Amino acid sequence: DTGVSQNPRHKITKRGQNVTFRCDPISEHNRLYWYRQTLGQGPEFLTYFQNEAQLEKSRLLSDRFSAERPKGSFSTLEIQRTEQGDSAMYLCASSPRRGEAFFGQGTRLTVV
Amino acid sequence: GNSVTQMEGPVTLSEEAFLTINCTYTATGYPSLFWYVQYPGEGLQLLLKATKADDKGSNKGFEATYRKETTSFHLEKGSVQVSDSAVYFCALSDFQGAQKLVFGQGTRLTINP
Repeated sequence: DTGVSQNPRHKITKRGQNVTFRCDPISEHNRLYWYRQTLGQGPEFLTYFQNEAQLEKSRLLSDRFSAERPKGSFSTLEIQRTEQGDSAMYLCASSPRRGEAFFGQGTRLTVV
Repeated sequence: GNSVTQMEGPVTLSEEAFLTINCTYTATGYPSLFWYVQYPGEGLQLLLKATKADDKGSNKGFEATYRKETTSFHLEKGSVQVSDSAVYFCALSDFQGAQKLVFGQGTRLTINP
């Protein structure tokens, strides 16, 4: 399977804990995006990488959130000191230089 | 800023009925427009797209036309099937820069046999 892969698929954590999600994009895609989707809403943009450079971040991305894409390959999204409001589906997408975005199946985070 | 508004759901139709899901947008410049579909238990998939005014995107019997004068991109299908049951998202992206997607809230479609 050469699609976008996200791990884990589900994560339950206690409030205040840190969590990290991983995204493996389609290998030849240089653009990578993170989105967050809450129940009944469309996905909202969080951040964008072109190769290893993080070029844009949404105001939604508080300082508890950090994302990396070392060597322009896989990406990680870390949330520190999780809050119940962080409960959502976190989606990763990748795309070639100009073209459609391909989405992974997402990581569903539940903060209890 | 850019935004997308979709008709509220849920929408329930009988098999072979005609489908329209309305989508309007607000954007600066000339965005590209998309419809994404999310089947139960699956990730978002691109259904169709249009990159300039008057373009018609089509796929799997679905169509949508980029109407700049009405800032709309309505999704239509002449005869729906049970397998079309899913959540449909209208979205736009800027041509330049990050080309990030701005989504509508989604419309849940259920087709009954």
